Amino acid sequence: DTEVTQTPKHLVMGMTNKKSLKCEQHMGHRAMYWYKQKAKKPPELMFVYSYEKLSINESVPSRFSPECPNSSLLNLHLHALQPEDSALYLCASSQLPGQGAGGELFFGEGSRLTVL
Amino acid sequence: GNSVTQMEGPVTLSEEAFLTINCTYTATGYPSLFWYVQYPGEGLQLLLKATKADDKGSNKGFEATYRKETTSFHLEKGSVQVSDSAVYFCALPDSNYQLIWGAGTKLIIKP
Repeated sequence: DTEVTQTPKHLVMGMTNKKSLKCEQHMGHRAMYWYKQKAKKPPELMFVYSYEKLSINESVPSRFSPECPNSSLLNLHLHALQPEDSALYLCASSQLPGQGAGGELFFGEGSRLTVL
Repeated sequence: GNSVTQMEGPVTLSEEAFLTINCTYTATGYPSLFWYVQYPGEGLQLLLKATKADDKGSNKGFEATYRKETTSFHLEKGSVQVSDSAVYFCALPDSNYQLIWGAGTKLIIKP
């Protein structure tokens, strides 16, 4: 099983709503990532979890709150978002932290978020 | 710090044409280099990688050679298909071992 599964695939929310994005992998990977991707742009790193602990937060606004309940699951809690937060949110995992050193990132298909 | 420059698209080719997408980098040392591909409506997936100078990565008919003399990692394919239409990203790690991404090149293959 080499999949990263993200739910929901599409999400529309108002600026006062609270919602969550979910990500799951069963490859035994110990690093998990949230990326944000705007149309026609490369992905932007938001958060990195290494061994279930938050290791990198790329100065993301507090209206985005990550959570890693266990080694297979990663959530992104959303609250009081702005229309400019509309984007594709991608979850990824790698066997070990430091994936750029030679490892491979495995991406989910993403959750397309629209904030009204 | 490390950086990557990728040719802007879109690149439009006819089926069976030869493809080159240029990627150049600046880096401390000799980091691994990657090409990722994003098909329409999907997440990214690793296409190929090279971990040291003169290494050639290859997959699905695509190739890229790690050239330290020209600091380049150009993506090539001898005969493209409609199914190769996608966005291609060149990438390398930064000092924190997180990936730095090129701007992405959209490839459109016409039948």
